[in-house]
Amino acid sequence: EDQVTQSPEALRLQEGESSSLNCSYTVSGLRGLFWYRQDPGKGPEFLFTLYSAGEEKEKERLKATLTKKESFLHITAPKPEDSATYLCAVQVRNTGKLIFGQGTTLQVKP
Amino acid sequence: GAGVSQSPSNKVTEKGKDVELRCDPISGHTALYWYRQSLGQGLEFLIYFQGNSAPDKSGLPSDRFSAERTGGSVSTLTIQRTQQEDSAVYLCASSSTGVLNQPQHFGDGTRLSIL
Repeated sequence: EDQVTQSPEALRLQEGESSSLNCSYTVSGLRGLFWYRQDPGKGPEFLFTLYSAGEEKEKERLKATLTKKESFLHITAPKPEDSATYLCAVQVRNTGKLIFGQGTTLQVKP
Repeated sequence: GAGVSQSPSNKVTEKGKDVELRCDPISGHTALYWYRQSLGQGLEFLIYFQGNSAPDKSGLPSDRFSAERTGGSVSTLTIQRTQQEDSAVYLCASSSTGVLNQPQHFGDGTRLSIL
């Protein structure tokens, strides 16, 4: 069964304290792995797509990496405005649907 | 508008009533998706439309749920005889032409509450 697991469920950081979020997946055939950010009361906002093991993408303080079994979202020197829920999703070969993890809720304190 | 638009933003209804939720995708996007987000459940796929192909309905939880897409653009998700467990945020997303693994862009959802 295709499955996505994110850890930790919640993460509290001080401003400037770098850390990583994990997304582990087991799928029959990965077509793409997606990272989203979701603020309360809003829909998920697209951040990155990763397609193959070894690929990396960066945007401001965020960097996403991909291996054959997991993806990491590295947050460097976070700011309070980075506080949000980060969602990981996989798209399985030959389907359009995304399978989402439960998300990691990040709180960055000033 | 530039993004996916959903209406209404909030809907409160009594158990047993029918509801219709609307989604306007990003202009030019041929793929449209519906998901449901419940407390503690995460985002759950419901249905997927791609161009003129038959929709993928594999995520619909029961035959009380249906969706249509008119003219390849606007979509309506209908829930008949609503139950309390249908309470959730219903999210719509769209992605660009035809190619799988293109990012899906989400609207802000309709928050449905069943009394």
